[in-house]
Amino acid sequence: KNQVEQSPQSLIILEGKNCTLQCNYTVSPFSNLRWYKQDTGRGPVSLTIMTFSENTKSNGRYTATLDADTKQSSLHITASQLSDSASYICVVSANDYKLSFGAGTTVTVRA
Amino acid sequence: EPEVTQTPSHQVTQMGQEVILRCVPISNHLYFYWYRQILGQKVEFLVSFYNNEISEKSEIFDDQFSVERPDGSNFTLKIRSTKLEDSAMYFCASRWGATGELFFGEGSRLTVL
Repeated sequence: KNQVEQSPQSLIILEGKNCTLQCNYTVSPFSNLRWYKQDTGRGPVSLTIMTFSENTKSNGRYTATLDADTKQSSLHITASQLSDSASYICVVSANDYKLSFGAGTTVTVRA
Repeated sequence: EPEVTQTPSHQVTQMGQEVILRCVPISNHLYFYWYRQILGQKVEFLVSFYNNEISEKSEIFDDQFSVERPDGSNFTLKIRSTKLEDSAMYFCASRWGATGELFFGEGSRLTVL
């Protein structure tokens, strides 16, 4: 069964600090992996997409990594801002285009 | 920037009532989806729609649910007889191709009393 596991479930960081979120998946065959940001009560918004051949991709202060061999991805947030407070969802797509969603990591940035 | 729009943003209904949630996907998109998210839980797939028919549905999408694309722009989700456990945020999403970026609407919050 295709699964996506995210850790930690939640974390609290001080404004200006960095943090790293983890995503492990068992989706096979793998097509791509996306990280979404979901503000409270809003729809998810795509941050990055990574395919099998990509190791790192950045979007501003967000940097995603992918290790397709170990089936792990991470999302690193640099110099966090209060607006980074949100849920971050890892979504993995299989070759049959089905999407598997992680439960998300809730990030709270405090001043 | 094109966006997926959903109405209503919040609906409160009595158990057993019918509810229709509406979505206007991005205009040149061909694949349409409904997801739901119960408060504090993960996003769950309900149904995908392509070429005017359901292409896939989950176990959640039982006979109480139906989808329609009545006029080429709107994409609706109907719940025939709502249950308490249908209370959730319902997200519509669309994408141009089968593997393209999925764009989500802002969601419709359904509260069943």
